[in-house]
Amino acid sequence: GESVGLHLPTLSVQEGDNSIINCAYSNSASDYFIWYKQESGKGPQFIIDIRSNMDKRQGQRVTVLLNKTVKHLSLQIAATQPGDSAVYFCAEGEGGSYIPTFGRGTSLIVHP
Amino acid sequence: DAGVIQSPRHEVTEMGQEVTLRCKPISGHDYLFWYRQTMMRGLELLIYFNNNVPIDDSGMPEDRFSAKMPNASFSTLKIQPSEPRDSAVYFCASSLRRTNQPQHFGDGTRLSIL
Repeated sequence: GESVGLHLPTLSVQEGDNSIINCAYSNSASDYFIWYKQESGKGPQFIIDIRSNMDKRQGQRVTVLLNKTVKHLSLQIAATQPGDSAVYFCAEGEGGSYIPTFGRGTSLIVHP
Repeated sequence: DAGVIQSPRHEVTEMGQEVTLRCKPISGHDYLFWYRQTMMRGLELLIYFNNNVPIDDSGMPEDRFSAKMPNASFSTLKIQPSEPRDSAVYFCASSLRRTNQPQHFGDGTRLSIL
């Protein structure tokens, strides 16, 4: 959407395929991670979160994987649908009082 | 449940005018955040409040920007005087005080300064 950055990484997939969106975080002390979805003209919407004592968490059609060794986070969307087209942000926070740092976002485009 | 409510949704005004953006957080949430989103800089945290008290305003770009939270259910972000470079989408978000809780965002105010 026009409210998010130009030159965002973009992932294009066909409807029904699985999507994987990646995020590298910078702070090794971060212990809480969140994925947000932002549709055009709307605010970021919470999808799923994971704490650092886990390496995988599943939701409805979504899975988040956390690799603390390489400071990498991924969001997997199963059976991607046109309604999944949006910009996806990862956010990291630490220390209990969650003041997150947002990544730049990845644009997901789902072709019918 | 009502989410975070922002008003107005769109604002177009001439440079030099005062702009006031409004936010009603989710009832019971103790943290309130103001963000700005632009093509160039992405999502930037401007200021956040805890229990109506400003905690960190280091993201506020200039003295022209000010924010208040007179009570738990209302906050304002004011720009005076406004400049064309202030054009952006401004988001308000709120979250619970408990450890590690996600933020809930409003749908933003799209601000255009001519």
